[in-house]
Amino acid sequence: SQELEQSPQSLIVQEGKNLTINCTSSKTLYGLYWYKQKYGEGLIFLMMLQKGGEEKSHEKITAKLDEKKQQSSLHITASQPSHAGIYLCGPTYGGSQGNLIFGKGTKLSVKP
Amino acid sequence: EPEVTQTPSHQVTQMGQEVILRCVPISNHLYFYWYRQILGQKVEFLVSFYNNEISEKSEIFDDQFSVERPDGSNFTLKIRSTKLEDSAMYFCASKRQGNEQFFGPGTRLTVL
Repeated sequence: SQELEQSPQSLIVQEGKNLTINCTSSKTLYGLYWYKQKYGEGLIFLMMLQKGGEEKSHEKITAKLDEKKQQSSLHITASQPSHAGIYLCGPTYGGSQGNLIFGKGTKLSVKP
Repeated sequence: EPEVTQTPSHQVTQMGQEVILRCVPISNHLYFYWYRQILGQKVEFLVSFYNNEISEKSEIFDDQFSVERPDGSNFTLKIRSTKLEDSAMYFCASKRQGNEQFFGPGTRLTVL
């Protein structure tokens, strides 16, 4: 089974709508990173969560880590076309050198 | 703002040829990584490098792959004898202790 599951796999929303993306790990999380990727481009860092219950916000994006449930959620408020892209969560696990194991990502499209 | 750079942006090679992908990490970073992304698939960890040696590598990183930090600024990934299935985007990343990884824009490798 997959170590990491993201849901939904893809999402189409109308501009202005809120949305949530989830990331669930089958292993204990020591931290989690959220990145965004536009097609054919590199990964842009969004947020890093290191403690259970931690919640961070940047502009209209909020991410939360629930380490008991081994999951994180990313919430976008009042989505805009600029939010479109692929959102990737990358947990770090104990004993690793911080290498990220990414899920398949959630492809977000925002319709104007 | 400092950024990770990668060259070339696109490399086309014949099967069996050697390729070297180059990266210039952010100057005060200590940890270096290579990831790859086959078209339409997830970003996969290849190798991490710290203190002038490999600290961790994935199953993908077999004897055909090697990494080097030949001087104080470059970080290279060499594939000795390319195969068709090596065609992918290759991303370099770097970070300081405990912080987020910064990704480069990637090199698209096409093996014919």
